[in-house]
Amino acid sequence: GAVVSQHPSRVICKSGTSVKIECRSLDFQATTMFWYRQFPKQSLMLMATSNEGSKATYEQGVEKDKFLINHASLTLSTLTVTSAHPEDSSFYICSARDHGQGADSPLHFGNGTRLTVT
Amino acid sequence: AQSVTQLDSHVSVSEGTPVLLRCNYSSSYSPSLFWYVQHPNKGLQLLLKYTSAATLVKGINGFEAEFKKSETSFHLTKPSAHMSDAAEYFCVVTGGSYIPTFGRGTSLIVHP
Repeated sequence: GAVVSQHPSRVICKSGTSVKIECRSLDFQATTMFWYRQFPKQSLMLMATSNEGSKATYEQGVEKDKFLINHASLTLSTLTVTSAHPEDSSFYICSARDHGQGADSPLHFGNGTRLTVT
Repeated sequence: AQSVTQLDSHVSVSEGTPVLLRCNYSSSYSPSLFWYVQHPNKGLQLLLKYTSAATLVKGINGFEAEFKKSETSFHLTKPSAHMSDAAEYFCVVTGGSYIPTFGRGTSLIVHP
């Protein structure tokens, strides 16, 4: 089946530094990828929709200058948390939809990245 | 507009007994509906999907769900729970916007 690889799985960084998270679709092409943030015991909160070759669409309340998204190819999207602060500590999950399967096809999820900012 | 309501935040069952996780949806368009499972500190795995074909959908690990348009429901069931089924379950709807909307999640607890 379709596989989405997300790296790193865990990262600890110091306050003020930047962290990049990669999301790759391994065996399919994804024109659209979604980035989510998940707080403990809560559902997924959509942060932004990443579109290959164009600017990401951010949800209301998500700072686009803080959470930089780049979708440079049909198989790779990256999320960079810039100038991270402890309140950015969270579980970040990416997902992708197979471009060839239609807009109502299921999403395929990465395994998530646990970010801890000290 | 679309929305998903998972009626229970927690469901507790004994191993070997049936599982019922409830989900109601609303959508301005013909919806596509999905159930995903998430184990701790992991991403989400697709259990099953409904996309306007058969209303009774069979998924992986013995789970199934029935789409009932009249009740706007898509409840997830399994005849016999295993300890390994303990996880968080999310009901998801995709409508005209094709951006999925997640339910709040239901934590399934399985007692030995």
